[in-house]
Amino acid sequence: DTAVSQTPKYLVTQMGNDKSIKCEQNLGHDTMYWYKQDSKKFLKIMFSYNNKELIINETVPNRFSPKSPDKAHLNLHINSLELGDSAVYFCASSQYPGQGNEQYFGPGTRLTVT
Amino acid sequence: SQQGEEDPQALSIQEGENATMNCSYKTSINNLQWYRQNSGRGLVHLILIRSNEREKHSGRLRVTLDTSKKSSSLLITASRAADTASYFCATDFGMRGKLTFGQGTILTVHP
Repeated sequence: DTAVSQTPKYLVTQMGNDKSIKCEQNLGHDTMYWYKQDSKKFLKIMFSYNNKELIINETVPNRFSPKSPDKAHLNLHINSLELGDSAVYFCASSQYPGQGNEQYFGPGTRLTVT
Repeated sequence: SQQGEEDPQALSIQEGENATMNCSYKTSINNLQWYRQNSGRGLVHLILIRSNEREKHSGRLRVTLDTSKKSSSLLITASRAADTASYFCATDFGMRGKLTFGQGTILTVHP
């Protein structure tokens, strides 16, 4: 069984469009994250939710809006896509972060904006 | 920036050799973690070492942590071609689970 899954795996779209990426985890974890990995492999956290509550909100454009309908799901909606949004987006999950637990990553969604 | 720095950026070795990667960071940490990323895949957690630990082992992996020097190293012994991947250190500063990743070391193990 896949622990952290993301859809779609690949997303090619034009500038100005709106798109969503979905993430689901079946590990029973309380916390989920969105990361962005750029072309140089640099990985940076964007958002984190704990039990549907936003707990980390890094400096990202407000065109990016996360939504957590329940603690097993964390979606990322991106409005008015720009060329610079092209990257690989990873979802991850962990137990409550105060435990210093490891994070489990999904396979990634490669977003290409043309 | 609190971002960890890793060196070398790339490492190429022969199967059977040992591989050592280093990570440095700037501020106090709760723990430091190492992850592996195979090409086109997500990150996989390898090992976590807490700030009060100095060394940890897991199979062929050995991690050390020197909090006075704010540095860590990952040693992979008797490397295999399947170890070819990018390796990232990630520091947990105790900020609600936020991990700050280094830029990674690309390891290539030649059969």
